[in-house]
Amino acid sequence: GAVVSQHPSRVICKSGTSVKIECRSLDFQATTMFWYRQFPKQSLMLMATSNEGSKATYEQGVEKDKFLINHASLTLSTLTVTSAHPEDSSFYICSARRRDRASYEQYFGPGTRLTVT
Amino acid sequence: DQQVKQNSPSLSVQEGRISILNCDYTNSMFDYFLWYKKYPAEGPTFLISISSIKDKNEDGRFTVFLNKSAKHLSLHIVPSQPGDSAVYFCAASNNFNKFYFGSGTKLNVKP
Repeated sequence: GAVVSQHPSRVICKSGTSVKIECRSLDFQATTMFWYRQFPKQSLMLMATSNEGSKATYEQGVEKDKFLINHASLTLSTLTVTSAHPEDSSFYICSARRRDRASYEQYFGPGTRLTVT
Repeated sequence: DQQVKQNSPSLSVQEGRISILNCDYTNSMFDYFLWYKKYPAEGPTFLISISSIKDKNEDGRFTVFLNKSAKHLSLHIVPSQPGDSAVYFCAASNNFNKFYFGSGTKLNVKP
């Protein structure tokens, strides 16, 4: 159990358009979902934390109007990159914390590679 | 400002020998440390963790050591197996609110 999926796995979009990335916990309910961004050969950088039914908490330096996060249910969170620019090209990965497990356990999705042309 | 650092981007080890992956952190408030393993095209998977009240935690071939005074932790894999070849991330947390990750170390275990 504890499978997290992300869709799409890869996406290419044109500069100025918006892209939505979905993160789903397939076999458990997630109280909290995290969104990370990873640049090549760099660490996973936490962008925001979202709890079901409430507004996401963004890390310092992350534009909340650019990276819209919606956590509509206990199994789904979405990240929308609005008005994408080439510098937004990156690897985006989500993780989910189980409602019925210890706080330190989080399960990661496989990630989404975003390329903005 | 990176609070968790893995200074070795890669490590190559012969099968059967010990692999030692290192991680340093700067925030003395961190109270929980984790290691994740990541294969290509997959998300990181939890491997082993340690609380700041301990200095060692062992799980089969994997042992994590924590040196709080040096703000250093290490993951020992013994004996190393080719299937252990992956990228290993260390992470640290303060009260589980956020997790800070290192940049990863790519381990290659040669048959």
